[in-house]
Amino acid sequence: DADVTQTPRNRITKTGKRIMLECSQTKGHDRMYWYRQDPGLGLRLIYYSFDVKDINKGEISDGYSVSRQAQAKFSLSLESAIPNQTALYFCATSYGDRGLTDTQYFGPGTRLTVL
Amino acid sequence: KQEVTQIPAALSVPEGENLVLNCSFTDSAIYNLQWFRQDPGKGLTSLLLIQSSQREQTSGRLNASLDKSSGRSTLYIAASQPGDSATYLCAVSGNTPLVFGKGTRLSVIA
Repeated sequence: DADVTQTPRNRITKTGKRIMLECSQTKGHDRMYWYRQDPGLGLRLIYYSFDVKDINKGEISDGYSVSRQAQAKFSLSLESAIPNQTALYFCATSYGDRGLTDTQYFGPGTRLTVL
Repeated sequence: KQEVTQIPAALSVPEGENLVLNCSFTDSAIYNLQWFRQDPGKGLTSLLLIQSSQREQTSGRLNASLDKSSGRSTLYIAASQPGDSATYLCAVSGNTPLVFGKGTRLSVIA
């Protein structure tokens, strides 16, 4: 089984709909991250969480919210999806006791299309 | 604000050639630099991580160097193979988690 899993893997939705993307990990890591990837723009950080009680905004948090339900679960929500949120979304994890110096491990991604 | 640039954006080489991918960053106050590989439609796989106190890291045919003072890193791939074809991403970690470059798309032609 994969260490970092994302559900769903693909999703097509309509403008205005609420969408939740889920991430779970079996690596035992404290830190979890959500990124989006757009052609020509690379990967950009949306939110990150250093433990269950810690949530931080990233570079592009507007229009998104997150929930850290447990150490192993980190969900990303689009309260009212819009077409420019069409992108590939990645979840990642890393250890917490090594500062910001540790490798991040990525999930397989969720391809979201907002019509 | 940290900015990461990768040159070239795309590269096509014949099999067996040695090649260098370049990465530059604007703020030298980093904790580490990572090189990732991404296959089309797939997630990212970490290739090498260089701590800020290190100068280079090696893994098999891959060698990554870091010159923190000049804000540069290179990824050297020896004896390239068609299986090396992918997009290679550079990312730096500083006061915030990873900031990524836009990647170099590598094609190795058999």
